[in-house]
Amino acid sequence: SQTIHQWPATLVQPVGSPLSLECTVEGTSNPNLYWYRQAAGRGLQLLFYSVGIGQISSEVPQNLSASRPQDRQFILSSKKLLLSDSGFYLCAWSAQTGELFFGEGSRLTVL
Amino acid sequence: KQEVTQIPAALSVPEGENLVLNCSFTDSAIYNLQWFRQDPGKGLTSLLLIQSSQREQTSGRLNASLDKSSGRSTLYIAASQPGDSATYLCAFKSNSGYALNFGKGTSLLVTP
Repeated sequence: SQTIHQWPATLVQPVGSPLSLECTVEGTSNPNLYWYRQAAGRGLQLLFYSVGIGQISSEVPQNLSASRPQDRQFILSSKKLLLSDSGFYLCAWSAQTGELFFGEGSRLTVL
Repeated sequence: KQEVTQIPAALSVPEGENLVLNCSFTDSAIYNLQWFRQDPGKGLTSLLLIQSSQREQTSGRLNASLDKSSGRSTLYIAASQPGDSATYLCAFKSNSGYALNFGKGTSLLVTP
């Protein structure tokens, strides 16, 4: 069966520091991968998606970037965090049916 | 801009009641619609996926329907239990693009 792992689960970082969130999927090959952000009181917002290694599409302009160095690995990064980057970040993958499966999330607090 | 509205925003019911959560969306050209459950501080768990060619899907005590013409979906929960307490989100994927468009969710509390 397929599983998705996301880490770290919780992160507290000062403004201006770098960020790296990692996500890996097991049990499937060539999945579509996604990074979503969930801010308090708002719906989930798609940040990045990837249909293959090295292929990244950004949905919104922002302080973040994403990379896919391996087929089942997706990384969310920032060189310098802003206060507004605080939120709950969720990695997801989609099956051939289009069904979306999420990881457990990473809560980022920027102070 | 594609929008998803979920009503009610919050709901409290006694254990054993049957309940309906509503979701409306603005794009009739949908590819699929998915219902999720989210427990506090956790990721989203997929409950049901309805393809655009389908009218409903069932899993255990859950039944989701889709009416593309009216832009509506409902999630029916039978014989609710305290363990059903969570936030329920609906999301649709349009025929164009990769993003799922999410509602803000319905927060459900089932009291013993």
